[in-house]
Amino acid sequence: GAVVSQHPSRVICKSGTSVKIECRSLDFQATTMFWYRQFPKQSLMLMATSNEGSKATYEQGVEKDKFLINHASLTLSTLTVTSAHPEDSSFYICSAPQSGHNSPLHFGNGTRLTVT
Amino acid sequence: SQKIEQNSEALNIQEGKTATLTCNYTNYSPAYLQWYRQDPGRGPVFLLLIRENEKEKRKERLKVTFDTTLKQSLFHITASQPADSATYLCAPGSSNTGKLIFGQGTTLQVKP
Repeated sequence: GAVVSQHPSRVICKSGTSVKIECRSLDFQATTMFWYRQFPKQSLMLMATSNEGSKATYEQGVEKDKFLINHASLTLSTLTVTSAHPEDSSFYICSAPQSGHNSPLHFGNGTRLTVT
Repeated sequence: SQKIEQNSEALNIQEGKTATLTCNYTNYSPAYLQWYRQDPGRGPVFLLLIRENEKEKRKERLKVTFDTTLKQSLFHITASQPADSATYLCAPGSSNTGKLIFGQGTTLQVKP
């Protein structure tokens, strides 16, 4: 079945550095991907919608200059956390619709980011 | 503002019993509602989707109901097994945007 691959699964970085997270749809094309973050024992919070070939749409309160999203192809979206700070430490998860708009989402297995 | 509420307390049940999880929403008129399962440290996995014109949906031991008057969805697992232990998330969806907003999830623990 359709699979979304997310890499890396874990990353530790120093405060002030940038981290890039990749999200790939392995056997299907995704014109749209969604990026979520999840704090311990809390729900997934939608950060932004990644659109292939155009700018991402960010949710209210999410800094677009801090969380850079690039969706350069139909199978790859990247999220770059720029100038990371300890409060950015979280679980970041990407997802893509199984078969177009409004269809269920395939999720990656997430990236655990720890900023020291 | 839109609000989605799931029981925040963990649900503990005995193996073989039916688990019932609740999802309530306010200030929202979703065109459909989805349920996902999430295991610790993993991404959610899709289970069922029910549309606003459907009252009930079944898949193997799973059953979902959707009451747009009460603004509530119930998720049932019959003949529960320890392997069903996980966090279950509900997500009402908008047909306009395709975006899913998730509830905080209910953790189910099935004891042998």
